[in-house]
Amino acid sequence: GEDVEQSLFLSVREGDSSVINCTYTDSSSTYLYWYKQEPGAGLQLLTYIFSNMDMKQDQRLTVLLNKKDKHLSLRIADTQTGDSAIYFCAESVFSGGYNKLIFGAGTRLAVHP
Amino acid sequence: DVKVTQSSRYLVKRTGEKVFLECVQDMDHENMFWYRQDPGLGLRLIYFSYDVKMKEKGDIPEGYSVSREKKERFSLILESASTNQTSMYLCASNRDPPGNEQYFGPGTRLTVT
Repeated sequence: GEDVEQSLFLSVREGDSSVINCTYTDSSSTYLYWYKQEPGAGLQLLTYIFSNMDMKQDQRLTVLLNKKDKHLSLRIADTQTGDSAIYFCAESVFSGGYNKLIFGAGTRLAVHP
Repeated sequence: DVKVTQSSRYLVKRTGEKVFLECVQDMDHENMFWYRQDPGLGLRLIYFSYDVKMKEKGDIPEGYSVSREKKERFSLILESASTNQTSMYLCASNRDPPGNEQYFGPGTRLTVT
């Protein structure tokens, strides 16, 4: 079945790099997404990667995709207090006749001084 | 900018009441989605709609119904609210295909007492 797994918590020091990991099960996923949710808000798309790519970099964000292991990671360089949020990994799958997104449970990132 | 709005940020209802949650998007998106978000469970799809008057069950449709009379508006209905429906409800929309990036509203935190 479809499943996306993430660790629930990550704590880092301000200025360090954060790495949030995600594993997924559907090898036919076309796109994989990272969303950010700040307290009391909806989800905001951070970045995405197409399944035929290994890496995508966007300013402080680096996404790595290992299709063989079905592993996706998000690296945030020079982590700031404003990066404290919940980060959701999601994969695009075709199921029940429709494309849909499957979300992980979210990783709560806490940035401390 | 895509805008997805939800009718209420916070709602408190009594057990057995009928509850309407409204969602409006302004980007002429074909697809609209309702999720509920619970700690440690991530986002779970309740219903989605790929066209006016069309609806499809998601992963947890029990106890909910939906209505899409106009393209820009997607309503979630709790026919008889129960305490286990206390949750954060998130609406999202996107253009075809449904596996594309989704744009989220700010969420409605519903408490059923």
